[in-house]
Amino acid sequence: GQNIDQPTEMTATEGAIVQINCTYQTSGFNGLFWYQQHAGEAPTFLSYNVLDGLEEKGRFSSFLSRSKGYSYLLLKELQMKDSASYLCAVRDHNTNAGKSTFGDGTTLTVKP
Amino acid sequence: DAGVIQSPRHEVTEMGQEVTLRCKPISGHNSLFWYRQTMMRGLELLIYFNNNVPIDDSGMPEDRFSAKMPNASFSTLKIQPSEPRDSAVYFCASSSNRGRNEQFFGPGTRLTVL
Repeated sequence: GQNIDQPTEMTATEGAIVQINCTYQTSGFNGLFWYQQHAGEAPTFLSYNVLDGLEEKGRFSSFLSRSKGYSYLLLKELQMKDSASYLCAVRDHNTNAGKSTFGDGTTLTVKP
Repeated sequence: DAGVIQSPRHEVTEMGQEVTLRCKPISGHNSLFWYRQTMMRGLELLIYFNNNVPIDDSGMPEDRFSAKMPNASFSTLKIQPSEPRDSAVYFCASSSNRGRNEQFFGPGTRLTVL
C-alpha cells in the first residue's frame, strides 16, 4: 500500500518562492504526480516525476528522490491565483491502469 | 476534446432516494476512476476500471454503492439508498494507459443528501 504525507497548510507572499514537500512510503514506485486544485474545482495535472531529479515547467518545478521517498513542488514568483490545494499522488508499479494514491493535499494561501 | 463530462453537476436529494451519477471519459482513454472528496476525508478512490472492466472496488464504502461501465464512453455510480453521510463531491477521472498516465478530472457532481 501507499502512505503519503504533506503539510496541511502553507502561507506565502506574492512574488516569493514556496516549496511544498511530500514524503511517501510504498511497496513499489512507478511515478509521482502533483495536481493543483482550486476551491470548488477539479484537480488538474501539474507535473510528473519518475526518475530522480528536477523537472521544470515555467514557474513550477518538481523534484524527486526515490531513495528518500521524497518529492517537492517549487513555486516561484508566486501570484494570487496560485492560492489552491496541491495534491501529491504516487503510482505503484503493480498497476497497469494508472491508479494513483493521493495525499490529503496542502492548502497554499498567497497573501499580497 | 471536451474533457471528462459529468452529470448532473449538482444533486440534492432526500435520504433513502436512489442517486445516479454519470460520467463520459475522454475518448481513447483506457482507465476510468470514481472519487469522493470531503473536507474530512480528502480525495478517496472508490473504484476504477481498465478497458471497461472493474479492477479495484475496495474503496466502495458499502453495498449501497455500485458502479458500472457498459462501454468505453460511459460509466455510472449509483447510491441506493442514499444517506446524509454520502454528501460529498464525486469526481470522475480518466487516463490513457500510455505515457505518463496522468488523470484528467471531470468537473464533479456535488451531492447533498438531506
